[in-house]
Formats: sequence, structure tokens, C-alpha cells
Amino acid sequence: EDKVVQSPLSLVVHEGDTVTLNCSYEVTNFRSLLWYKQEKKAPTFLFMLTSSGIEKKSGRLSSILDKKELFSILNITATQTGDSAVYLCAVGPYSGGGADGLTFGKGTHLIIQP
Amino acid sequence: EAGVAQSPRYKIIEKRQSVAFWCNPISGHATLYWYQQILGQGPKLLIQFQNNGVVDDSQLPKDRFSAERLKGVDSTLKIQPAKLEDSAVYLCASSLRRVSSYNEQFFGPGTRLTVL
Repeated sequence: EDKVVQSPLSLVVHEGDTVTLNCSYEVTNFRSLLWYKQEKKAPTFLFMLTSSGIEKKSGRLSSILDKKELFSILNITATQTGDSAVYLCAVGPYSGGGADGLTFGKGTHLIIQP
Repeated sequence: EAGVAQSPRYKIIEKRQSVAFWCNPISGHATLYWYQQILGQGPKLLIQFQNNGVVDDSQLPKDRFSAERLKGVDSTLKIQPAKLEDSAVYLCASSLRRVSSYNEQFFGPGTRLTVL
């Protein structure tokens, strides 16, 4: 059974701090790892990583994948109160055109205090 | 580009009643997914459609849940009869599914179901 484990499950930091969120996985036929941000509504897409060692960056957010050690990290620098959300990590299988539903972790609940 | 639409946004029912949710995916997206997200958990896949065919329903509790996508566009998810443990947010997602790459899934706002 595919498994995704995120840590920590919750994190409280002050505005301006840098945070690192962790995601480890066990999945057969790995294809990609995705990060989503969820703020009391639909998960919104952040990154998709398919290749090991290549960093994806968007503003203050960045993520990297290690396919050998089966984990990914999401970094947020200079955090702002608007970064408060649940961050979900998900893995998707290689499907060859078949089933490719995502397996999600429980999420990291990040709270940024002013 | 319009996003994934879902309705209703909220639903409260008593146990053993029936309920149905509706989803309209992003235009042109061939693949549609239904996920169940229980409070404090990540979304769990219930069923995946490719056009109007079922690709994966291995995690769908088929004794009470059913879903259809008759014309390959809109989809409905039904629960009959509902149980207390069905209280959750039901998320619909869609994906373009180009053959050469894995596409990210775009999620709708979800329907929050409370079973009393």
C-alpha cells in the first residue's frame, strides 16, 4: 500500500522565520511528487517534482526531491501571515494511461504568528 | 479559465438519508477524480474517471457510494444510505492528462457533508 508521511504535523513560527516541511514516501511505480497549499478550501497546486536533485522555486517557496532516499522538502523563507495553511504532500504513480490518483499525507498545519 | 465547480458547498443530513454531489471539471479535462477528506487527514481517492469510463474505483465503498460521468463531462457522487463516518469534505479534481507527461490535478472548492 502506498504511503506518504509528513512532518511535523503542526508548526508555529513567527513572521520572517524560515520553515522546512518534510515529506517521505513509499510508493510503487513512482512518477511524481506534488505539493499543495490548503486554506479552508480546495488544495491549490504549488509544485510538481519528477526528477531527483532539481530544485523548483516560486518566490519564497522552494522544493527539492531525493528519489534515492524517498523524500522531499518544502522550504518557505521570510514567512508571512498569509503563508498560514495546511501544506499537503502527494505522490502520483506512473500509470501508462491508467489509474493515477494521488496518495496524500496528512499535511503540515503551519501557523505564522505576527 | 474557469476552475472546477462543485455543488452544493455544504450539506447536513441525518444518518441513513441519501445525498448527491455534483462536479463540473475544467473545460477540456478528460480525467475527473473524487476524493474524500476527513477532518485532520489528507484527501483519499474514491474514484477516477477517464472521459465517461471508470479507471479506478478500488477505494470506493460500493455498498453505499456510487458515481457516474455519463457524458464525459459533469459527474455526480451519491451516498445511500449515509453513515456518521461519511462526514467529510468531498473534493472533485480534474486533469488534462496529456499522454507524454503527468499533469497536476486541479481541485474544486469541495462539498462539506455533515451526517448527524
